[in-house]
Amino acid sequence: EPEVTQTPSHQVTQMGQEVILRCVPISNHLYFYWYRQILGQKVEFLVSFYNNEISEKSEIFDDQFSVERPDGSNFTLKIRSTKLEDSAMYFCASSGWGIGNEQFFGPGTRLTVL
Amino acid sequence: KNQVEQSPQSLIILEGKNCTLQCNYTVSPFSNLRWYKQDTGRGPVSLTIMTFSENTKSNGRYTATLDADTKQSSLHITASQLSDSASYICVVSAGQAGTALIFGKGTTLSVSS
Repeated sequence: EPEVTQTPSHQVTQMGQEVILRCVPISNHLYFYWYRQILGQKVEFLVSFYNNEISEKSEIFDDQFSVERPDGSNFTLKIRSTKLEDSAMYFCASSGWGIGNEQFFGPGTRLTVL
Repeated sequence: KNQVEQSPQSLIILEGKNCTLQCNYTVSPFSNLRWYKQDTGRGPVSLTIMTFSENTKSNGRYTATLDADTKQSSLHITASQLSDSASYICVVSAGQAGTALIFGKGTTLSVSS
């Protein structure tokens, strides 16, 4: 069964450093998403991406964040200058055509900022 | 402000018993409502998706209901199993493009033998 994959599973970085989180969505999906979940809190929407551009983004997704689909398979989230409060689990998701289509989530990348 | 509230916060039931989880939302514009199951340290897995016009949807032992007038939904789990122990999250799709998901905090269900 196709699935969303994410790498790395755990990333440790120093405050102020840049990190890139990588995702490989399900191959025939057209919509891509990033979410984050701070430990013990609810999942929060960051951004959705369709047709090589951002479709929607939340207030959390400020200039520190950027997304890219550098090739036909990868979808990345870059955090330019990490802060302690960026420590969280970051989930990538993808869905097929249509707004109501089921979103399939990856296993997540745990980001720890020291 | 878009919000999704769930109750109870946690629930403990015996294996084989049924349970019902509740969700209230204030989200506009509303696109659809989803229930997800999330195991600890894993990504959420979709159980059901309901649009405005649907008022019930089943997926095996999971049955979700939606009352769009009162902005309430429930998830009923029948004949619970130990593997049902997880967080159950009510999620509402919002925004003009309908791609932004607003998550509730979830109900933590523990099924014991």
